[in-house]
Amino acid sequence: GAGVSQSPSNKVTEKGKDVELRCDPISGHTALYWYRQRLGQGLEFLIYFQGNSAPDKSGLPSDRFSAERTGESVSTLTIQRTQQEDSAVYLCASRYGTGGSQPQHFGDGTRLSIL
Amino acid sequence: KQEVTQIPAALSVPEGENLVLNCSFTDSAIYNLQWFRQDPGKGLTSLLLIQSSQREQTSGRLNASLDKSSGRSTLYIAASQPGDSATYLCAVIKAAGNKLTFGGGTRVLVKP
Repeated sequence: GAGVSQSPSNKVTEKGKDVELRCDPISGHTALYWYRQRLGQGLEFLIYFQGNSAPDKSGLPSDRFSAERTGESVSTLTIQRTQQEDSAVYLCASRYGTGGSQPQHFGDGTRLSIL
Repeated sequence: KQEVTQIPAALSVPEGENLVLNCSFTDSAIYNLQWFRQDPGKGLTSLLLIQSSQREQTSGRLNASLDKSSGRSTLYIAASQPGDSATYLCAVIKAAGNKLTFGGGTRVLVKP
C-alpha cells in the first residue's frame, strides 16, 4: 500500500483480556517501530525492528507486552492481561534503509480502550 | 536521558500571521531532528527532517532551523492558514536508525 496500515483502528476490550494489534509497513521499509500515545502524554517508544537483527525492546513497559515481526513484513504487538493504564493510541512507523537520514512514516494508529 | 520540550503547549493566531514553534532538547548529541504534524484522530505526518550537520530545511511555507550546540530547533510557518491548525511535534534521534524521542507538542489554532 501507499502508507503504513494499522488494524484495527479502534479496539475496546475488558480488563484482563489479551489484545493483538497489527501493522503493515510501507513495502521495502526495513525498519519498523511501535510507539504509544496516552491521553495527555507524549509519544513513548516501545520497540524497534531492523531487518533480521534482534529487536530493541528497551521501551516495552512490562512483560505483558511483546511484539513480533517476520522478516521485513507485518508486525503484531500483543498485550496480555490488559490493564486500564494500557488505554492509549498505539502508533506504528516504518522507515527505509538502515541509517537515520530517512524519515519515519507513521500509520493512523490503533485506539485501545480498556474497560 | 534526552528530554525534548516544546513551548508553548498551545498557540492561537489569526489567519495570515507567521507561526513560530519552538523545540529544545537537553542532549546535543543528536543524529537528526524531525518535525511532524498530527491531526485529531490521525497518525503523524512527517514535515521536515534536519540532519545534525545541517542548519535548516525548507519545504514550501515551512522552514525549520537547527542549532545543535544550544539544543534548539524552530519551525516557521509563513502566512498561516486555517488548514495549518493541528498539533506540531518535534522529535530527535540520538543515533542512526534509533528511536525517536518526542516533545509534548504545540497545539496550533489558526482562526479565519
